[in-house]
Amino acid sequence: DSGVTQTPKHLITATGQRVTLRCSPRSGDLSVYWYQQSLDQGLQFLIQYYNGEERAKGNILERFSAQQFPDLHSELNLSSLELGDSALYFCASSVAFGFSGNTIYFGEGSWLTVV
Amino acid sequence: GQQVMQIPQYQHVQEGEDFTTYCNSSTTLSNIQWYKQRPGGHPVFLIQLVKSGEVKKQKRLTFQFGEAKKNSSLHITATQTTDVGTYFCAGPSSGGSNYKLTFGKGTLLTVNP
Repeated sequence: DSGVTQTPKHLITATGQRVTLRCSPRSGDLSVYWYQQSLDQGLQFLIQYYNGEERAKGNILERFSAQQFPDLHSELNLSSLELGDSALYFCASSVAFGFSGNTIYFGEGSWLTVV
Repeated sequence: GQQVMQIPQYQHVQEGEDFTTYCNSSTTLSNIQWYKQRPGGHPVFLIQLVKSGEVKKQKRLTFQFGEAKKNSSLHITATQTTDVGTYFCAGPSSGGSNYKLTFGKGTLLTVNP
């Protein structure tokens, strides 16, 4: 158990819909990262927050947005869903936002299936 | 942008054989991290290498960081069925306050008992 909690574990929704994925980081971790994993694209970095502020953006679509709340949990909002958005979405957390000596811990992921 | 390439994409071995996966970055890395993801699981941090030419061992696993800090390798001696999974390398990119970890596509290791 990494200490990173993600909900829901599985989600099936229709095209055009909107979903919210939730993440609670490990106790004491200030950084939260979101990654998308699909068979063809591998692990793709989406976005990172540190102590409530956006710190880095990766290949995140405009239809997707995220935020980190004062209690440090984070939500990833996916809207106008398309079939190609079906993937495993991971949240990860770390103490700091630099990567030297900074291990990141992954949650178990949220499986999203768009039908 | 930064690219991290891993080869091979797949490797199937007989139990007891050795296994090596290689990672190459398009840019010099400040450090490189390795993760293992079991089938149906999530990536789990294995190790971080920071120094040029660094070699670290974890039981049967040996990790190396190249002299130019642009490549790395993971070698497993005498594989066991518990080694099955996808091994990812990941390199950070940073610029100002922008930090992100770029993962290679991973090497899927299967072990025949």
